[in-house]
Amino acid sequence: DIQMTQSPSTLSASVGDRVTITCRASQSIRTWLAWYQQKPGKAPKLLIYDASSLESGVPSRFSGSGSGTEFTLTISSLQPADFATYYCQQYSGFSTFGQGTKVEIK
Amino acid sequence: QVQLVESGGGLVKPGGSLRLSCAASGFTFSDYYMSWIRQAPGKGLEWVSNISSSSSYTNYADSVKGRFTISRDNAKNSLYLQMNSLRAEDTAVYYCARKGLEWYFDLWGRGTLVTVSS
Repeated sequence: DIQMTQSPSTLSASVGDRVTITCRASQSIRTWLAWYQQKPGKAPKLLIYDASSLESGVPSRFSGSGSGTEFTLTISSLQPADFATYYCQQYSGFSTFGQGTKVEIK
Repeated sequence: QVQLVESGGGLVKPGGSLRLSCAASGFTFSDYYMSWIRQAPGKGLEWVSNISSSSSYTNYADSVKGRFTISRDNAKNSLYLQMNSLRAEDTAVYYCARKGLEWYFDLWGRGTLVTVSS
């Protein structure tokens, strides 16, 4: 199985901050990577697919980059609605997810 | 309205069985591959199973292989997960999800909670 490791596990930030979350794969997954946002008690929501493609309806302050084994999700200016947990997912093989990064209010 | 709605969760004893359902609406269900993904309380996401649009292909995580069976009824716009020989570690919220152009998931249901406990 391809292992996905996210960092940090928790991130404290303020509204307006630029936030970056990293996801590392245990082997190359080219650009077969997605990012999701999950709020408490809710289903995950797709933000980014194919490492850098923005899902329709997702605000442009979200962006993704990377290829191979290192990927990043960036929120250019953190908004109150963005406090949530974020997961990466690889789909090069059978899907595996990172352990999550909780973005909390500083 | 494009949506997925899961049902069938509940409390079951170890070794017991449960059948989850997922009702799809607002899109052509028969065009899409579908999956089940679960999330143990306070934990991350774990892919469970996939099924192709015509049911020709199915895949399972090693943790459920031989115990769980995914199926679908395109005439009823429904996805199912038959879970047998349940264990405490199967306790989770189970989500059904729709595959996008590649194997990311572009539509999720709200989930149904399965609790395995004596």
